[in-house]
Amino acid sequence: QQPVQSPQAVILREGEDAVINCSSSKALYSVHWYRQKHGEAPVFLMILLKGGEQKGHDKISASFNEKKQQSSLYLTASQLSYSGTYFCGTEYESNTGKLIFGQGTTLQVKP
Amino acid sequence: DVKVTQSSRYLVKRTGEKVFLECVQDMDHENMFWYRQDPGLGLRLIYFSYDVKMKEKGDIPEGYSVSREKKERFSLILESASTNQTSMYLCASSSLPSNTQYFGPGTRLTVL
Repeated sequence: QQPVQSPQAVILREGEDAVINCSSSKALYSVHWYRQKHGEAPVFLMILLKGGEQKGHDKISASFNEKKQQSSLYLTASQLSYSGTYFCGTEYESNTGKLIFGQGTTLQVKP
Repeated sequence: DVKVTQSSRYLVKRTGEKVFLECVQDMDHENMFWYRQDPGLGLRLIYFSYDVKMKEKGDIPEGYSVSREKKERFSLILESASTNQTSMYLCASSSLPSNTQYFGPGTRLTVL
């Protein structure tokens, strides 16, 4: 049931864009995105709800495609501070609070 | 400022020892979670609790047990530690309706 993230790793130059995908074989209720910097705890970025709109803040946004049971995280004009591992957490039943996380995507932004 | 604390950042134990990992949150959250994090495998759910004295198994509960006697505290117990339990252990808490999970700093456990 673990969602599949792609790519596993990506290297960018500052200012470049990236897309991280999170796919599920099971119907999703919501998708949560987290970022974990090296040696730190994961930190919440945003949540996408079934039937909800695309979310975003600053230059990071995300979408939820119900037909494909997939969420995508878009990082625009990447900054050095975007480096880290990105996890999607999927919720299959409404409001249980239980998330199943993907294996993570490591993003490295170089100057 | 929300806070989830874990009792140790680093822990070294011997095979067969009983190990207690403690997690405390100060946000009055109903839900608490224990994950283990291994390279390439992401965050895997061991156990979670949605109320005091209530618990549910996650995806990898074998070899672990949990205890939640007070709302703010959630303990993970390794009854007899084994080398394949060497890992990073992360605790998290959340509350309805947002279900945003707040993570502790993690405990890196090494079992020799």
